[in-house]
Amino acid sequence: SQQGEEDPQALSIQEGENATMNCSYKTSINNLQWYRQNSGRGLVHLILIRSNEREKHSGRLRVTLDTSKKSSSLLITASRAADTASYFCATVRGGSEKLVFGKGTKLTVNP
Amino acid sequence: EAEVAQSPRYKITEKSQAVAFWCDPISGHATLYWYRQILGQGPELLVQFQDESVVDDSQLPKDRFSAERLKGVDSTLKIQPAELGDSAMYLCASSPGGLVYNEQFFGPGTRLTVL
Repeated sequence: SQQGEEDPQALSIQEGENATMNCSYKTSINNLQWYRQNSGRGLVHLILIRSNEREKHSGRLRVTLDTSKKSSSLLITASRAADTASYFCATVRGGSEKLVFGKGTKLTVNP
Repeated sequence: EAEVAQSPRYKITEKSQAVAFWCDPISGHATLYWYRQILGQGPELLVQFQDESVVDDSQLPKDRFSAERLKGVDSTLKIQPAELGDSAMYLCASSPGGLVYNEQFFGPGTRLTVL
C-alpha cells in the first residue's frame, strides 16, 4: 500500500517558472525523501528531510516538512526543460526500514 | 561514479513462461531492494535483503516470485509462471546500511511485458 499522496498528479509550467509539489502522508515518519524519475528510467534521490527538520535546501530545490499536518512540499526554482520528470515522495516510518512511495507528480517544463 | 546494474533492460515473454532478472548493487552496499512499479504508480517494495538474508518479503507473491542473494552481492528475481498482471518495471536499489535513513541508489530497471 502507498503511504504518500502527491498533489498535483500532473503539472505543466514554462521554463524559468517555479514548480511546487506537495506530499501528504498518513502515519508518523522517521524521514521523508524525494526522488526524481525520468521517463522509463530508474529513480534518482534528490533530498532527505528528517522528522525533526522543517526545511532543507539543495541547489534549486527546497523541501519543507510539517509533521503536524503530515505534509511536505518540494519547490523547484527557475525550472529548466531538463527538470521534466516524475517526482515521488517516499516515507520511512518510525521503527520500520521500509521506504513507501507515493504515486508521484508528473512535471512538464516547456521550453 | 558507481551505479546499480540491472539486466536485461527489456523483457517480453508469454504468460506461463519463466523470467529472471539480475541486479548488481553498488560495491559495498549491504542492503538490496527489489521494487515493482506499475505504470502511473510509485515503486512498491517486493523484497529487501541485508547481506544474504531476507529482511522483508511481505509483499512478494511467493507462489510465483522468488528472490535470492546467495553471496550477499548480486541478486536474482524470478517469476514462474509469469501472468499478464506482472507487466511492470522491476527496479533494483541498494544502500550502504541496514537502516533506511540513507538514500537508496536505483538501477535503470527491467521493463517486463507479459503477452
